[in-house]
Amino acid sequence: NAGVTQTPKFQVLKTGQSMTLQCAQDMNHEYMSWYRQDPGMGLRLIHYSVGAGITDQGEVPNGYNVSRSTTEDFPLRLLSAAPSQTSVYFCASSYLQGAKTEAFFGQGTRLTVV
Amino acid sequence: AQKITQTQPGMFVQEKEAVTLDCTYDTSDQSYGLFWYKQPSSGEMIFLIYQGSYDEQNATEGRYSLNFQKARKSANLVISASQLGDSAMYFCAMREPRSNDYKLSFGAGTTVTVRA
Repeated sequence: NAGVTQTPKFQVLKTGQSMTLQCAQDMNHEYMSWYRQDPGMGLRLIHYSVGAGITDQGEVPNGYNVSRSTTEDFPLRLLSAAPSQTSVYFCASSYLQGAKTEAFFGQGTRLTVV
Repeated sequence: AQKITQTQPGMFVQEKEAVTLDCTYDTSDQSYGLFWYKQPSSGEMIFLIYQGSYDEQNATEGRYSLNFQKARKSANLVISASQLGDSAMYFCAMREPRSNDYKLSFGAGTTVTVRA
């Protein structure tokens, strides 16, 4: 049972570098999303998607891009990494069936920008 | 505006005792869902319990129960008979399908430490 798979688990970047965090789910979920977790702030939504070809911004989208070419994959791109992007990133997916839709999370990616 | 408020940054509880984690929320929707997740020190997010806005009964899942007071917009999590493995951070979250495109909003979390 793969569920939601995120890679890598850990990453160190230099300021200005770009990279892509990968997220894949095998549950045929329509909804996928990216969150960042910072101490004392809970999880904040970066970008989300309600289906292939459809993406939208969340609460903290600046500095990040996403695309959704397939139902399964939802990569998150950091265009030019900044120390403020040091965080733990989670990908989550769920069905779109009204309010009662539990979100399944990946294992998280701990990113450090130096 | 903050949609989910968890006012307790950290709590200590004695093993085998019950603990209540507070969660208040803000929404103008009539239909919404409330979730609690557990995040142990290993970092993964574990779904615990769900409460729908139209559910008449408080949700229960094993040792977890929700004290849902709709008029007060609160959904407090009660963990009964605490175990050492319950030490973790707990997040309250809300989904508002009509107004928010199914986005899940989280509170800041409460860290629970269970003492032997």
